[in-house]
Amino acid sequence: GAVVSQHPSRVICKSGTSVKIECRSLDFQATTMFWYRQFPKQSLMLMATSNEGSKATYEQGVEKDKFLINHASLTLSTLTVTSAHPEDSSFYICSLARDTSTDTQYFGPGTRLTVL
Amino acid sequence: GENVEQHPSTLSVQEGDSAVIKCTYSDSASNYFPWYKQELGKGPQLIIDIRSNVGEKKDQRIAVTLNKTAKHFSLHITETQPEDSAVYFCAASWSGAGSYQLTFGKGTKLSVIP
Repeated sequence: GAVVSQHPSRVICKSGTSVKIECRSLDFQATTMFWYRQFPKQSLMLMATSNEGSKATYEQGVEKDKFLINHASLTLSTLTVTSAHPEDSSFYICSLARDTSTDTQYFGPGTRLTVL
Repeated sequence: GENVEQHPSTLSVQEGDSAVIKCTYSDSASNYFPWYKQELGKGPQLIIDIRSNVGEKKDQRIAVTLNKTAKHFSLHITETQPEDSAVYFCAASWSGAGSYQLTFGKGTKLSVIP
């Protein structure tokens, strides 16, 4: 398996502010990281895929200027929700893949974002 | 793109009984099928996976079967315990944009009644 951490686990912010969520791989170097969001009682929706040192690939309908992803190193990816609004409230989860030759993804514990 | 259907959406079983969750996929190019368990407020945890060159895989009380011809795969949990209660997601993987992406089913909420 793999150990993935996310910080913070919960965050409450005011509408219009920006929030940064960190995703760290604690025991291996992750070439590829994925960011998902999950609404209550729903499945996981892929937001974007990022590879270390290159720009993230966003899924259709996901605003890249609103959800900024930075895959700065092989152990750290960040998701910044800019100018957050109540509709951005959700559970954000990252996952890691060791490399693109293997499909296995390991998920972090998630971050609950609440925008007031 | 890939489409994954998962059934049932909810499942209640008595402790000690077996539970079966079924998924179908649409893209014949998919060749990797993981199952995740998600407890309330936590991230999904990989519990078992299977690749298209294998028809069945077992890990203690958990087994997964794959029928490539029919494009369906199933999760089997035997001797269920209360701690098996969670939401289970199936997924299928296909290669897009140079990296592998998972398409998830909508989930099955399993309740094991003591």
